[in-house]
Amino acid sequence: AQKITQTQPGMFVQEKEAVTLDCTYDTSDQSYGLFWYKQPSSGEMIFLIYQGSYDEQNATEGRYSLNFQKARKSANLVISASQLGDSAMYFCAMSTSGSRLTFGEGTQLTVNP
Amino acid sequence: NAGVTQTPKFRILKIGQSMTLQCAQDMNHNYMYWYRQDPGMGLKLIYYSVGAGITDKGEVPNGYNVSRSTTEDFPLRLELAAPSQTSVYFCASSYGGPAGTGANVLTFGAGSRLTVL
Repeated sequence: AQKITQTQPGMFVQEKEAVTLDCTYDTSDQSYGLFWYKQPSSGEMIFLIYQGSYDEQNATEGRYSLNFQKARKSANLVISASQLGDSAMYFCAMSTSGSRLTFGEGTQLTVNP
Repeated sequence: NAGVTQTPKFRILKIGQSMTLQCAQDMNHNYMYWYRQDPGMGLKLIYYSVGAGITDKGEVPNGYNVSRSTTEDFPLRLELAAPSQTSVYFCASSYGGPAGTGANVLTFGAGSRLTVL
């Protein structure tokens, strides 16, 4: 069975600093995808970044990067230069066979001014 | 470009009532999904569909039914509503493809908040 674990229920960061949100995954499949989504207080789900299991380079999208460590089965999200608008819930997710995504429980990020 | 459209946004049901949550996408995506999100929790898959006429159960299908008669529409039916079905429901869609590709990036609807009293 596929499982995503996010061990940080809440995280705090000062504005303009970088923050790392942890995500570990468990799968026996060789081919899988890893995703991060942002859910602001308004409730919508916003796609941030994707990493494929065969991708050798870490994915980056603007201020977001995914620190992919395959041997450790971790896919941490790094947000650089945090902004007040980054305050939100962040979900890590994984797709394996069947194209279904399994989500973690989320990390609530608060950016302090 | 509407993306994924869900209706209604809010609904209050009495125990034992039934209702249908509507979902439509205009991106010609093959795959569609229904997730539920309980307060402070992650998303759990209820049902999904890989194409018109094909549906399958997810992690928490009990109390729900779906159909997929067209590529665009994927309604979720709640029969005999129970307080345990109080949740936010998200419809999503994707192109679908091999697990190690970006074809499985989900586009979500805005969500439907359901309360069962």
